[in-house]
Amino acid sequence: EVQLVQSRAEVKKPGESLKISCKASGYDFTSNWIGWVRQMSGKGLEWMGIIYPGDFDTRYSPSFEGQISISADNSITTAHLQWSSLKASDTAIYYCIRAAGSGYEFENWGQGTLVTVSS
Amino acid sequence: QSALTQPASVSGSPGQSITISCTGTSSDVGSDNLVSWYQQRPGNAPKLIIYKVTKRPSGVSNRFSGSKSGNTASLTISRLQAEDEADYYCCSYGGSDVYVVFGGGTKLTVL
Repeated sequence: EVQLVQSRAEVKKPGESLKISCKASGYDFTSNWIGWVRQMSGKGLEWMGIIYPGDFDTRYSPSFEGQISISADNSITTAHLQWSSLKASDTAIYYCIRAAGSGYEFENWGQGTLVTVSS
Repeated sequence: QSALTQPASVSGSPGQSITISCTGTSSDVGSDNLVSWYQQRPGNAPKLIIYKVTKRPSGVSNRFSGSKSGNTASLTISRLQAEDEADYYCCSYGGSDVYVVFGGGTKLTVL
């Protein structure tokens, strides 16, 4: 069974850095794209970016390019989403996603990690 | 990049059918058969219900079906049930620069 288990909720101050994680199991981690989707409170889904752990090819949405960093650690089958300087507008739920097949359908989702950025 | 356009809300009575549209451009929805649909119930993560325009993942009810014409994709839910009440999002390949784009979401109310 495929599972994506995300790290716990975080409360941070503006300007702080943060790295959240997504532990994958039940499939060949290096052979599937894995990425992140943002959902701000009461709003829709926004695709942020994705990485292919097999060769670390990474794609970012133009809306998030330069604002985030996506990485993968194959030794522990975990993907990460990182910010170097958080803003209040980064407050949202972040979902980890596994892309199956063509890479453009997201067959599995993590439970979500709530990130709250407030002074 | 602009999100794909979906109606904000639709409603229907149990047993009826509803259709949710998802309008994009020739660069995204119209460019390939890489449209998918997701169901999100309150407090839960989204769930894939349709991929590659018409295909259903294993375990998804055959009451859900997808189609596409030109730059508009559609999700049809037949024989509506109370449990179908949720938010529905379309998603498409967005081109080599954008990669993926979601629709704004549609809230389905079962009356």
